[in-house]
Amino acid sequence: AQSVTQLDSQVPVFEEAPVELRCNYSSSVSVYLFWYVQYPNQGLQLLLKYLSGSTLVKGINGFEAEFNKSQTSFHLRKPSVHISDTAEYFCAVRGRDAGGTSYGKLTFGQGTILTVHP
Amino acid sequence: ETGVTQSPTHLIKTRGQQVTLRCSSQSGHNTVSWYQQALGQGPQFIFQYYREEENGRGNFPPRFSGLQFPNYSSELNVNALELDDSALYLCASSGGQGSYNEQFFGPGTRLTVL
Repeated sequence: AQSVTQLDSQVPVFEEAPVELRCNYSSSVSVYLFWYVQYPNQGLQLLLKYLSGSTLVKGINGFEAEFNKSQTSFHLRKPSVHISDTAEYFCAVRGRDAGGTSYGKLTFGQGTILTVHP
Repeated sequence: ETGVTQSPTHLIKTRGQQVTLRCSSQSGHNTVSWYQQALGQGPQFIFQYYREEENGRGNFPPRFSGLQFPNYSSELNVNALELDDSALYLCASSGGQGSYNEQFFGPGTRLTVL
């Protein structure tokens, strides 16, 4: 079983400032890690994913995240945010082909609302 | 290439009624997953269908059921609606059942139970 904790429910920042959205996870098996963004009244869009290899992954819209296995974290960062980055962000994990009844299951955190102020 | 579509966009039902939500997968995708997103929460996995068979299920009661059709479109059925079933229901399709396959999400159906 997996669980995800997003440490901040809301993060307000000013435009062009850097931002970090924190995510910690717990799992009894190896996992794949994801960050999704959700704009108001829309579905989820994949920002980036960690499957294997380099622990620093780059995604769309200038976002990046670093997988830290020892700290079981996958924090999302952007060096300079824009007004258009205002949205809710979700961290999610999936067991690596664990099989059984949890085959397709993405486990999400509670979400972090990022608000970028001018 | 057409993305994942869902219908209807919004729906209002009363407690005890039954509802059917529909999802059309992205072209070429044979796997569909359904999620429930309550207000202010992250999505919760309901179940996954692969080639018309349910092959994964979250912690939801049997009154939540689904179907996947030969063209890989899908339905989510909820019987005996309860007030707590009010949520955004998201459908996601992927090119395979493996955990490494990216899930592409539709815009969701907003269900309100009165």
